[in-house]
Order: sequence, then C-alpha cells, then structure tokens
Amino acid sequence: GAGVSQSPSNKVTEKGKDVELRCDPISGHTALYWYRQSLGQGLEFLIYFQGNSAPDKSGLPSDRFSAERTGGSVSTLTIQRTQQEDSAVYLCASSRAPYRGRGGNEQFFGPGTRLTVL
Amino acid sequence: RKEVEQDPGPFNVPEGATVAFNCTYSNSASQSFFWYRQDCRKEPKLLMSVYSSGNEDGRFTAQLNRASQYISLLIRDSKLSDSATYLCVVNNDMRFGAGTRLTVKP
Repeated sequence: GAGVSQSPSNKVTEKGKDVELRCDPISGHTALYWYRQSLGQGLEFLIYFQGNSAPDKSGLPSDRFSAERTGGSVSTLTIQRTQQEDSAVYLCASSRAPYRGRGGNEQFFGPGTRLTVL
Repeated sequence: RKEVEQDPGPFNVPEGATVAFNCTYSNSASQSFFWYRQDCRKEPKLLMSVYSSGNEDGRFTAQLNRASQYISLLIRDSKLSDSATYLCVVNNDMRFGAGTRLTVKP
C-alpha cells in the first residue's frame, strides 16, 4: 500500500513568511509524528498525535510552530514568521497504535520536506 | 544528560569487519527500542526492533541491557552497502539518538 507522503518535497521561502507543510500518513495509522533534521544532525522530535488524545507538543521549539491533525489523518505543520535557523528537513512519520504496555510501534517515515529560508 | 545518546562515530571499517554501536537511554521506564538506518539524504527506515531477549537478523544482532540502560547493534561481515547512519530510538520518548555514521571501505 501507499506509504507516508509529504508535500511539498522542497520549499524555499523568504525570512518572515509563513509556511505550511503537509503529511499524509499511512491509512489506519493512528499515531503521527513530526521531526526535523538539520544537515548532518539527528532527528529532533517536534510533536506527536495519537488518536483523539491531546497532542504532545513538548518538542516544538517556539510558538511560531504549530501543527494540526484533521480527522485523525492528514496533518499540517505551520511555521510562522520563518527564520533562517528553521531551514532543515521536516520529516513526518506514522505508526499503528502503541501496544498497551509496550509503548510504541515501528515508525514509517515520509520522504521529508526540505525547507530553505533565505 | 541527553535522553538518548549514541557512540559519536564515525566508524570507518574494512569490508568483512565486525562493528558494534551502543545507544544509552535515560528513561528507565522505556519499553520499545528500535534501530533505524538512514542513507544520505533519505528518510530513516527500520532496521530492526530490539527485544528483551536479544534478536538476530542475518548479520545483524540487537541486544538490550536494561540494568545499564543501553541497546547495542552488532554488524558482522560488514558490506559496502552497510555504509549509512544508524539511529536508535526509544519510542516512549520519541527520542532518536543523533546517529552513528558507518563507512565500510573496500
């Protein structure tokens, strides 16, 4: 079946502009994650959605970052008033609901959106 | 202390060598552990889960040491195609290690 898709694949924007990044998770996956990865660095957790529960926003770096997940499926990550330090690859992943007591499942990643802020 | 820490690398090894990476975690309540592989400019992909009893998949062996709070990945008879960055993840925290870069040379 189809994997996780993200759009756009590349986004170049000017400092101060707002951007929206989209993620379509695998059908039936209730968990959705956003990460960002700067060049040569590891993955930085941003936000986690699980079913109808309140999202875990603990990784969002500032109030310029927000994310929504509509209808338990598609998610949008919005960055307002972009700064040059926001330049990175933004990765979305989805997984099935965590097994009770096991804490997590394999995450399937999308190809990412490469954001460049000039 | 970071929540998940990995050997910094890079590891440069010849073909056929055996190489091992460790990943330590700080949350003792963590229950799910995975190793992912990430090729250059690609998204991470699952390499293997890490089970309490340890598990093996071909040339790859993963182990969990709860007492010392680390997981390990052992690659035997390394191939050129094993060259990649290896990321550990502790799923309770959604925290990935920074990754260990492996280069296998002819």
